[in-house]
Amino acid sequence: DTEVTQTPKHLVMGMTNKKSLKCEQHMGHRAMYWYKQKAKKPPELMFVYSYEKLSINESVPSRFSPECPNSSLLNLHLHALQPEDSALYLCASSQGLAGALRTDTQYFGPGTRLTVL
Amino acid sequence: KQEVTQIPAALSVPEGENLVLNCSFTDSAIYNLQWFRQDPGKGLTSLLLIQSSQREQTSGRLNASLDKSSGRSTLYIAASQPGDSATYLCAVQGRGMKGAQKLVFGQGTRLTINP
Repeated sequence: DTEVTQTPKHLVMGMTNKKSLKCEQHMGHRAMYWYKQKAKKPPELMFVYSYEKLSINESVPSRFSPECPNSSLLNLHLHALQPEDSALYLCASSQGLAGALRTDTQYFGPGTRLTVL
Repeated sequence: KQEVTQIPAALSVPEGENLVLNCSFTDSAIYNLQWFRQDPGKGLTSLLLIQSSQREQTSGRLNASLDKSSGRSTLYIAASQPGDSATYLCAVQGRGMKGAQKLVFGQGTRLTINP
């Protein structure tokens, strides 16, 4: 099973709302990622969790708050977003073993399409 | 800072043709290079991963090459089919990154195969 699942598929929220995106994998991967992708642009890395610890934060605004409750789950909490935050949010996972980065393939979920009104 | 460039940005060819997509990167100190496929509004599907010590990888009708010294990779698609229509993204993982893998993506090539 090489599946990464994301919920919800679509989300519409106002600028004052609080919502969460959820990502799940059962491949035993120890690295999980959040990416943001605007239309016709490549994915941009937001956060990386390695062994359930935040290892990379690409200077993302604090209105985005990641959480990794266990090795299979990754959440992205959203609060006070702006219309320019509307995008496809992609989650990915990989084995993330320090001694095997040369062969570390990332597996992506289908994404959550977020619209901020 | 690693920069990845893909040429062309868009490509349209008749079904059955062989084609080549190009990717270049500025820092040759990489762990690997990966090619992904993305259908409109969907997630990314990994196609091929080439380790920094390898020259090429093959999967079915796809063949990817890597010339690390010149900072170039190509994705060769043989006997193209309409189902190959998608955006193809090249991404490199660089050395020296803390923690887990960090991919730097190119802008992608939007490929259309005409029946």
